[in-house]
Formats: sequence, C-alpha cells, structure tokens
Amino acid sequence: GNSVTQMEGPVTLSEEAFLTINCTYTATGYPSLFWYVQYPGEGLQLLLKATKADDKGSNKGFEATYRKETTSFHLEKGSVQVSDSAVYFCALSRETSGSRLTFGEGTQLTVNP
Amino acid sequence: GAGVSQSPSNKVTEKGKDVELRCDPISGHTALYWYRQSLGQGLEFLIYFQGNSAPDKSGLPSDRFSAERTGGSVSTLTIQRTQQEDSAVYLCASSLVGKNYEQYFGPGTRLTVT
Repeated sequence: GNSVTQMEGPVTLSEEAFLTINCTYTATGYPSLFWYVQYPGEGLQLLLKATKADDKGSNKGFEATYRKETTSFHLEKGSVQVSDSAVYFCALSRETSGSRLTFGEGTQLTVNP
Repeated sequence: GAGVSQSPSNKVTEKGKDVELRCDPISGHTALYWYRQSLGQGLEFLIYFQGNSAPDKSGLPSDRFSAERTGGSVSTLTIQRTQQEDSAVYLCASSLVGKNYEQYFGPGTRLTVT
C-alpha cells in the first residue's frame, strides 16, 4: 500500500538556520506529492506540491523536489524564521485511491530567535 | 471566499452516546474527505465522497462510524456508542476531483469522550 515516512522530530533551530525535513514515500505509479503545514491553533494548509518527477514545488522560501529515483520529497528552506514554527506533514495522493491523502507522521519545527 | 467550515468546533460527550459532526465544503468542490488526527495515530483517512456517493469507506475504523453527504454539499459524520479511543480531532477537506488538486481543510472538530 501507499505510505509516507518523515524524519522524526521535533526539530529545533535558531533563526536564519538552514532547514531540511526528510520525506520518503512508497507508492505504485505516479503519485502527487505535497507538504502541508499546521501553524499553532490553525488548520492544515497546503505549503507546496509537485505532481510529476523532477518537478520542484516552492512557496514562502520553502522548496521540495520530486525525486522518483530515490522516492523522496525533502523539504528545505535556506533561512528559517520564528514564524515558521509549526508542524509539517508530507503527503501523497494517487488517483486510483480517490486522491485521498496519505500523510507522514508530521515534524514539529521550533525556531528560536 | 468562504472556506471549509465544520461544526461544532468542540464536542465533549459521555462514553456510549452518539455524536454528529458536520462539514460544509467549499462551493463547487465535488470531492469531500474526512480524516482523523490523534496523538497515537497521526493523520488518518476515514472516508471519501464524490458527489453524494462514497466510493471509498475503507478508513472507517468500525461499523459505529458512518457518514453521508446530501445535495453534493454538506456532509455529516456520525459516531454511534462513542468510546474513549474515538477522542481525536476530526478534519474535513474538500477539493476538485483529481490527484493534483489541493485539498482545503476545515478547522476541525475536537471530540472528547469522557
């Protein structure tokens, strides 16, 4: 079946540090890949997505590249801010599964000033 | 425009009681999903609607759980004879149909079974 594995958290960084959150997936065919973010007290919202191999999704300084050869979709940001503190979820979607999302475990990021 | 709304935002119920959770999707979104977020299980898929039909109910954890959608819009998730392990945040999302489309999530209903 489909599955998503994220690096275990929590992750604590200082402001302006480089961020990587690893995400690998298992799925047949060609899933779409997503990063969702949940800020404290708020609902889940889409951060970025990539729908085919070698696509790069980007938003708010975050980037992730769909790597089919390594079945990965790692999230990166060059310089994090305190306002980036949140829980980040990697997810995949396949049309044959009704496009439902399969989520990773979530990674709690805390950025200190 | 209006996003996905859910009600109630919080629900405390006694073990054994039935509860109904409501979701109002974004207008025009044919696909509607229910997920559950709990500490031990992370984010789990429960059920998917396309229009008023539910082609995928595979995530419903037991026959105490059911859901319906009427008029291609509002959906209700019903949990009968609630148990303490049902305590979680229940999330609803809607989207256009297709794996590339973003799912828009509601704020969730926090259910606590005492």
